[in-house]
Amino acid sequence: AQSVTQPDIHITVSEGASLELRCNYSYGATPYLFWYVQSPGQGLQLLLKYFSGDTLVQGIKGFEAEFKRSQSSFNLRKPSVHWSDAAEYFCAVGSEKTSYDKVIFGPGTSLSVIP
Amino acid sequence: DADVTQTPRNRITKTGKRIMLECSQTKGHDRMYWYRQDPGLGLRLIYYSFDVKDINKGEISDGYSVSRQAQAKFSLSLESAIPNQTALYFCATSDPPHEQFFGPGTRLTVL
Repeated sequence: AQSVTQPDIHITVSEGASLELRCNYSYGATPYLFWYVQSPGQGLQLLLKYFSGDTLVQGIKGFEAEFKRSQSSFNLRKPSVHWSDAAEYFCAVGSEKTSYDKVIFGPGTSLSVIP
Repeated sequence: DADVTQTPRNRITKTGKRIMLECSQTKGHDRMYWYRQDPGLGLRLIYYSFDVKDINKGEISDGYSVSRQAQAKFSLSLESAIPNQTALYFCATSDPPHEQFFGPGTRLTVL
């Protein structure tokens, strides 16, 4: 079955520290991979996406993610976290082989930032 | 102006009432979606539509219905609301391949 797991329900980091949010997927086809961020009271905003090519993807707000096919992972990273990065982060996976834009979302990781 | 808008933003209702959540978009996308978000479960797809005449059930469509009144409008209805439909509801649009654009959400509470 297709699934997306985010092993960390909640992470707390200090402002200025580095960040890595984990994402693993189980998908039978070549995946399209996404990271979305949800700030309090807001909808989801796309941070970055991977379709093909370079496995290290740069996104908005200083985020990057690396696709590792052998590990079925797509971890999100940021070298220095800002207080405004406190939010909920969702990993998602889709596929070119689906007949519609079906995207499966992970359960989310809540990020808290300590000043 | 926001590209995807949802009304209302918050709604409290009682068990058995009929509720309609509305979504409008100015992105010009044909594809529209309704999701619900529950803590620890991420987003789950309720219904999706590829155009006005093409509406499809998602993974959790029971208890919900939709109407695509125009390319820009996609409404979600709860015919007889029940407490376990208390959740945050999101409308989204997409233009292939797969990137989705979300509205701000509607927080629905069913008492």
